[in-house]
Amino acid sequence: SFELTQPPSVSVSPGQTASITCSGDKLGDKHACWYQQKPGQSPVLVIYQDTKRPSGIPERFSGSNSGNTVTLTIIGTQAMDEADYYCQAWDSATVVFGGGTKLTVL
Amino acid sequence: EVQLVESGGGLVQPGGSLRLSCAASGFAFSSYVMHWVRQAPGKGLVWVSRINHDGRTITYSDSVKGRVTISRDNAKNTLHLQMNSLRAEDTAVYYCVRDLDWSLDHWGPGTLVSVSS
Repeated sequence: SFELTQPPSVSVSPGQTASITCSGDKLGDKHACWYQQKPGQSPVLVIYQDTKRPSGIPERFSGSNSGNTVTLTIIGTQAMDEADYYCQAWDSATVVFGGGTKLTVL
Repeated sequence: EVQLVESGGGLVQPGGSLRLSCAASGFAFSSYVMHWVRQAPGKGLVWVSRINHDGRTITYSDSVKGRVTISRDNAKNTLHLQMNSLRAEDTAVYYCVRDLDWSLDHWGPGTLVSVSS
């Protein structure tokens, strides 16, 4: 079955660039999304169709897709960006999520 | 403003049933694909089921297939999830989610389902 693999955790200093990867077989042939989830809150869509930002999402969030890996990049990371991040793609009419990455800003 | 509000969660014994509902407002509900996604305590997101705008195309995850039925009432702007033969591993927060162009763009606050004796 199709699986998406993310690193369990990523750490970044305030103001620096955070990169979170998500890999899967032939992921480059699919469109990926990214969701941010803060403790006690529902997930929020931050990137869709690999690179697009929904309205209201800060410009510091960007996405890319190359080969078997999609990447969420946060330039100038802020303390408020500390959260869990999940990638998501479609496979045969089913939705698949990555296991999630805890981003720590320290 | 798009709003999705789930209800129907609670404590149920193993083998029992629950029916979750999601009241939608602020958008043309009948035009959108809808999903249920769940999250066990302290764990990641897991997709459960999807229903297209008119209810004619439905997909389930393997983990719930045969035990769960998704449905919608477009006249009442409501999404449902009937869950039967519940197991401890079904314990989770269940989210109602709107689909926009293959992304899950709006999520409800979720309703907690606890399966325990």
